[in-house]
Amino acid sequence: NAGVTQTPKFRILKIGQSMTLQCTQDMNHNYMYWYRQDPGMGLKLIYYSVGAGITDKGEVPNGYNVSRSTTEDFPLRLELAAPSQTSVYFCASRTGTDYRDEQFFGPGTRLTVL
Amino acid sequence: AQSVAQPEDQVNVAEGNPLTVKCTYSVSGNPYLFWYVQYPNRGLQFLLKYITGDNLVKGSYGFEAEFNKSQTSFHLKKPSALVSDSALYFCAVRDSGYSTLTFGKGTMLLVSP
Repeated sequence: NAGVTQTPKFRILKIGQSMTLQCTQDMNHNYMYWYRQDPGMGLKLIYYSVGAGITDKGEVPNGYNVSRSTTEDFPLRLELAAPSQTSVYFCASRTGTDYRDEQFFGPGTRLTVL
Repeated sequence: AQSVAQPEDQVNVAEGNPLTVKCTYSVSGNPYLFWYVQYPNRGLQFLLKYITGDNLVKGSYGFEAEFNKSQTSFHLKKPSALVSDSALYFCAVRDSGYSTLTFGKGTMLLVSP
């Protein structure tokens, strides 16, 4: 089991560029999440999905888009990168079949927008 | 609505001493509470959780947490700190019926030799 994997590990973007952050899990989890982590701010939820074909906004969705065509994959799209999107991005998943279950996190993608 | 507060940005403790990292929460239903640890340049790792039952929860690496419903707290504890425990610790809460976790801002734990 690789768990939750994220690519790339690091990326530098210019303002206005677009990119997709990839997230894959091999645990057959129904629920998947995207967070951003900024210093001193904890983790903020961007988008989440409760199953293939179903996505919903979190606390800070502006400037991002997601899709969930398969159980395994949950990519995060930045359309027009802005300096405010400089952050560390984490993907997470959980089974969703048990209200007691915890989330498993990927290693993160460090994104800088210049 | 659900929220969680970690009142300390940083906790300093000497190796071998007990440590406490504080967390308080607010929910309208039943709380599901979690502690995660983040080592430098790594993702978050699950430490322990409280769902129901015994108020003292034991987790990984010798950590435990005490759930106190009247004080709406879920403090993380360890009887004897190790230098290797130095990391960023996050408390998180999920209200019953919610699909998402709300995280605190994190507390940096520094254990000195």
